[in-house]
Amino acid sequence: DTEVTQTPKHLVMGMTNKKSLKCEQHMGHRAMYWYKQKAKKPPELMFVYSYEKLSINESVPSRFSPECPNSSLLNLHLHALQPEDSALYLCASSHDNPSYNEQFFGPGTRLTVL
Amino acid sequence: KQEVTQIPAALSVPEGENLVLNCSFTDSAIYNLQWFRQDPGKGLTSLLLIQSSQREQTSGRLNASLDKSSGRSTLYIAASQPGDSATYLCASPITQGGSEKLVFGKGTKLTVNP
Repeated sequence: DTEVTQTPKHLVMGMTNKKSLKCEQHMGHRAMYWYKQKAKKPPELMFVYSYEKLSINESVPSRFSPECPNSSLLNLHLHALQPEDSALYLCASSHDNPSYNEQFFGPGTRLTVL
Repeated sequence: KQEVTQIPAALSVPEGENLVLNCSFTDSAIYNLQWFRQDPGKGLTSLLLIQSSQREQTSGRLNASLDKSSGRSTLYIAASQPGDSATYLCASPITQGGSEKLVFGKGTKLTVNP
């Protein structure tokens, strides 16, 4: 099983809403990632969790709050977002091993902020 | 600092043609290089991962090569089909905060015409 699942597929929210994106993998990977992707651009890394601890935060605004409840789950809590935060949000996972670190991506959540 | 470049940004070929996509990187001390495919509005699909000790990897009609000394990788697609139309991204990891982050090229958008 090389699948990373993400829910929801689409999300529309107002600037005052609070919502969460969810990501799950059952490949035994110990590193999980959140990326943001705008149209016609490559993915931009937001956060990395390694063994359920936050190891990289790419200076992401605090209106994005990641959470890793266990080694299979990754959440991204959203609050007071701006219209420019509209994008495709991708989750990925990998073994946390530099010798073999193929990243597997989920299908993404298309977020629209009104 | 690792920089990854993909040229051309777009490529259009007739069905059945063999083609090569190019990826160049500035730091030859890489762990590996990963090729992805992305269909519009979808997540990234991992195609091939080449370890730094390898020269090439093959999967079906795809063959990826790696030449660290010249800082180049190529993705060869044999007998192209309209279903191969997508954006192809290459990425190489760098270490930050004890974890890895992928440095992506901007991608090559491939169109295979029937």
